[in-house]
Amino acid sequence: GENVEQHPSTLSVQEGDSAVIKCTYSDSASNYFPWYKQELGKGPQLIIDIRSNVGEKKDQRIAVTLNKTAKHFSLHITETQPEDSAVYFCAASNREGFQKLVFGTGTRLLVSP
Amino acid sequence: EADIYQTPRYLVIGTGKKITLECSQTMGHDKMYWYQQDPGMELHLIHYSYGVNSTEKGDLSSESTVSRIRTEHFPLTLESARPSHTSQYLCASIAEQYFGPGTRLTVT
Repeated sequence: GENVEQHPSTLSVQEGDSAVIKCTYSDSASNYFPWYKQELGKGPQLIIDIRSNVGEKKDQRIAVTLNKTAKHFSLHITETQPEDSAVYFCAASNREGFQKLVFGTGTRLLVSP
Repeated sequence: EADIYQTPRYLVIGTGKKITLECSQTMGHDKMYWYQQDPGMELHLIHYSYGVNSTEKGDLSSESTVSRIRTEHFPLTLESARPSHTSQYLCASIAEQYFGPGTRLTVT
């Protein structure tokens, strides 16, 4: 089955710096890779996703890159702001095979003003 | 945007009590999921459903049970709560694109 590893578990940056969170997956059949942001006291919220036919996707200050050969994908947040502080989860699944999402273990991002 | 509602948001209950955590969504989504989230942040799938009368156990063994009699509702029941059930329970729908706010359960 799929296994997703996520690093780092905690990340502290200064406001304005960039933050990068990395994930690796094991199942080469996985083709869908979403990222979630979970703020304190709330459920995870989907913030961006990428499919295996795309190498990079960007939405304002956040971007995700995918390297299918190496089986890893990353979340990039530029110009970080204190409100970016949250726990971020990556996940992977094979949508065509209707496989369930497998989540990473989460990264706690702290952006200091 | 889909809305998923979970009630109660917080629950403190004594050992041995029966509890039901409610989850409902308004968009007619067939696929719904229950996750247990431990203090270490990890999300563990405990139940899922692909539609009415469909329920399956997830990757993490759980003593809870679920039912799916109506598309909108996916309640989770613990027949006899124990301190080991203390956790955050999150409901999600349609390929986990939408998560509810969660129920934080504490069993004393």
